[in-house]
Amino acid sequence: GAVVSQHPSRVICKSGTSVKIECRSLDFQATTMFWYRQFPKQSLMLMATSNEGSKATYEQGVEKDKFLINHASLTLSTLTVTSAHPEDSSFYICSARGQGLDNEQFFGPGTRLTVL
Amino acid sequence: KQEVTQIPAALSVPEGENLVLNCSFTDSAIYNLQWFRQDPGKGLTSLLLIQSSQREQTSGRLNASLDKSSGRSTLYIAASQPGDSATYLCAANSGYALNFGKGTSLLVTP
Repeated sequence: GAVVSQHPSRVICKSGTSVKIECRSLDFQATTMFWYRQFPKQSLMLMATSNEGSKATYEQGVEKDKFLINHASLTLSTLTVTSAHPEDSSFYICSARGQGLDNEQFFGPGTRLTVL
Repeated sequence: KQEVTQIPAALSVPEGENLVLNCSFTDSAIYNLQWFRQDPGKGLTSLLLIQSSQREQTSGRLNASLDKSSGRSTLYIAASQPGDSATYLCAANSGYALNFGKGTSLLVTP
């Protein structure tokens, strides 16, 4: 299958700082990328969907000014957690999909964010 | 809104047993359904993808079936091994993002 990378895999930051997470599709063009969040022992919850060159579509309850998403190219999407607080600590996972609604989504390995 | 349910939430079996994990979804208008494995603290590993036109997919000791009309999918694991211990997630693709179940936590004891 196709490969999606995430960087960093783990980040610890102080409260009030901003953290950027990168998601890259390494061997295919991702017209759509998705950002999920997972709390301990919970399932994945969709945060937002981004299409290359367009503004991201956020799920209800997700603050777009806090979780900035940029999908500037067909291989890169970034999630920036602004003014992070301890309650933002979570496991963030991205996925990427090529053109076509029935195309498989390929998932990155996830980023563990800990806000002190 | 698509709701995905997985039963059981947790399962413990002795090594060598065959087992079935269940997944149900409320909206049968799906493009495909995927089964994933997640180890503690790790990302997702895709196991099987079944397109809406397919009835089942097989990979090694794993077999996944899909009955779209009844909104059900099952993951069959043959001859379970301790290395199969993980959380198994199913996810339905309704054309937007994937809708995930809460997972089945599997423990295979030696």
